Amino acid sequence: EAGVTQFPSHSVIEKGQTVTLRCDPISGHDNLYWYRRVMGKEIKFLLHFVKESKQDESGMPNNRFLAERTGGTYSTLKVQPAELEDSGVYFCASSLTDFTDTQYFGPGTRLTVL
Amino acid sequence: QKEVEQNSGPLSVPEGAIASLNCTYSDRGSQSFFWYRQYSGKSPELIMSIYSNGDKEDGRFTAQLNKASQYVSLLIRDSQPSDSATYLCAVKGTGGFKTIFGAGTRLFVKA
Repeated sequence: EAGVTQFPSHSVIEKGQTVTLRCDPISGHDNLYWYRRVMGKEIKFLLHFVKESKQDESGMPNNRFLAERTGGTYSTLKVQPAELEDSGVYFCASSLTDFTDTQYFGPGTRLTVL
Repeated sequence: QKEVEQNSGPLSVPEGAIASLNCTYSDRGSQSFFWYRQYSGKSPELIMSIYSNGDKEDGRFTAQLNKASQYVSLLIRDSQPSDSATYLCAVKGTGGFKTIFGAGTRLFVKA
């Protein structure tokens, strides 16, 4: 069974540009989560989808970040326009059910904003 | 005060020893507690979850939870060099679905 996949693995962009990150969860997992780890800091929750609905987006830093999950399959996270402080590793995770179930993490996308 | 606090380490133990990792959390209503292992440059991997007070054992790993003290720990028995990694404590609080992570403790197991 394929795990959670993320694309791209690395992205280097300039301040003010737009970047779109993609996450493909494990097939059949309704729950999809986005997290971010900024250098030297802890992993921070961004948002949680149940199928195509945003269950909790309280961790989204500001309106430059837009997450979508059309059709309840893969998800995208767009940053527009990117700022220097957006640099970090963006992780996606998925789980079959919520609350107690195991979250499986993807390999992450390392974003560098210059 | 951070929501989930861990000693950043590094914690260094000899091979075969017991490694003890600790974590405290601030949300007294938290119900779900997790330990993740993260190797350098890799994604976090869940190794233990615990939901009620007491001990939970899985192989060489034992998670301990004390909700009154808002304290979670992870014991690794017979530590191996392959256990060298960063261990992340994570807590699922009340009123939402977000998982709050600690900054992690780096563990080195010396051969």
